[in-house]
Amino acid sequence: GENVEQHPSTLSVQEGDSAVIKCTYSDSASNYFPWYKQELGKGPQLIIDIRSNVGEKKDQRIAVTLNKTAKHFSLHITETQPEDSAVYFCAAPVEKLQFGAGTQVVVTP
Amino acid sequence: DVKVTQSSRYLVKRTGEKVFLECVQDMDHENMFWYRQDPGLGLRLIYFSYDVKMKEKGDIPEGYSVSREKKERFSLILESASTNQTSMYLCASSLGGSRNEQYFGPGTRLTVT
Repeated sequence: GENVEQHPSTLSVQEGDSAVIKCTYSDSASNYFPWYKQELGKGPQLIIDIRSNVGEKKDQRIAVTLNKTAKHFSLHITETQPEDSAVYFCAAPVEKLQFGAGTQVVVTP
Repeated sequence: DVKVTQSSRYLVKRTGEKVFLECVQDMDHENMFWYRQDPGLGLRLIYFSYDVKMKEKGDIPEGYSVSREKKERFSLILESASTNQTSMYLCASSLGGSRNEQYFGPGTRLTVT
């Protein structure tokens, strides 16, 4: 959506390297920032989210960081594996949840 | 586990036909959503419903309508399908509002010829 910008649109990484996807949002009142992963042939699934009272959240190899001043948040995937290949969407609530355009991540062996 | 099912994975319809896309969730969620997914545009909200018989327009409601007669079922209706409605349609449900996890169905790939 126009209120949530996501970059890059495609990302190719070598297995074992890190991947970073960035999103910016426009509504300073937004306070919830989820990330969804969509595997081929499936609907998106929530993988991690962060609320505005914290700056970072980790879950095994994935982490999300939030900079409320700059109004951007990022998804970090470390030690990438082939099963991380998917489309990733960020989102932020602007009245309703607005999704970014998505990032196609390809992890090459 | 929450399960959201959609009536068809693939659908081919002709221009002008009336099209029904059905979605059912089994977790007693109040909120249900219909999105369309197009390359480079992400997920765009068509309509959502926060209760039986209640509906709210999303960002792109033109050409669509919805029906929610029962809590578990949310239908998307294309009154007169057009080629620009060829897309992937995703249904989702959630327990609360926009700050709660949404559970998505597998999607329906609709082609209008």
